[in-house]
Amino acid sequence: GEDVEQSLFLSVREGDSSVINCTYTDSSSTYLYWYKQEPGAGLQLLTYIFSNMDMKQDQRLTVLLNKKDKHLSLRIADTQTGDSAIYFCAERGDYKLSFGAGTTVTVRA
Amino acid sequence: ETGVTQTPRHLVMGMTNKKSLKCEQHLGHNAMYWYKQSAKKPLELMFVYSLEERVENNSVPSRFSPECPNSSHLFLHLHTLQPEDSALYLCASSQDWASGTINEQFFGPGTRLTVL
Repeated sequence: GEDVEQSLFLSVREGDSSVINCTYTDSSSTYLYWYKQEPGAGLQLLTYIFSNMDMKQDQRLTVLLNKKDKHLSLRIADTQTGDSAIYFCAERGDYKLSFGAGTTVTVRA
Repeated sequence: ETGVTQTPRHLVMGMTNKKSLKCEQHLGHNAMYWYKQSAKKPLELMFVYSLEERVENNSVPSRFSPECPNSSHLFLHLHTLQPEDSALYLCASSQDWASGTINEQFFGPGTRLTVL
């Protein structure tokens, strides 16, 4: 079965880099995702990575995938106050996505 | 209206009440989902509808009853709920599941449900 785990909280100073980590269990997942949830809103796809890639960069976001360890990470460079949100890791399975519990990122001045 | 909308945004109900949550998507998608979001727990998939047919029911108690009358609308009928059912209920939609696609899901803002 699918089981996605991630730490619940991260506090980071404005301007520093944030790193959010995630582990997953389904080695056959073709896509892995990072979703962002801002207060009072639903989840929104932030970025994704195909399973045959090790890294994907998109402006301030860097996704690293270690398939051997089933480890996914999201790095946010130059973290801003607008990055304060809950970040969900998800893996693609059959007919569904399996999500973690979300990491609440708090950006302090 | 654009995207995925949910009504009501907040709902307080007693354990003997019957209520319904509504979701509508304006994206031309043909798959819709209900999720339950509880603090510090993984986002829990409850139901999946693809082309208006239910394809997934994750052992959800029968006090939750979904309905998908067409590809744009999804309902969650609630009756005889328990206090532990209090949570944020999220609706999402996507294109029909197909291999080789990222299958991005678009979420509504959720209904905050409190069961007294």
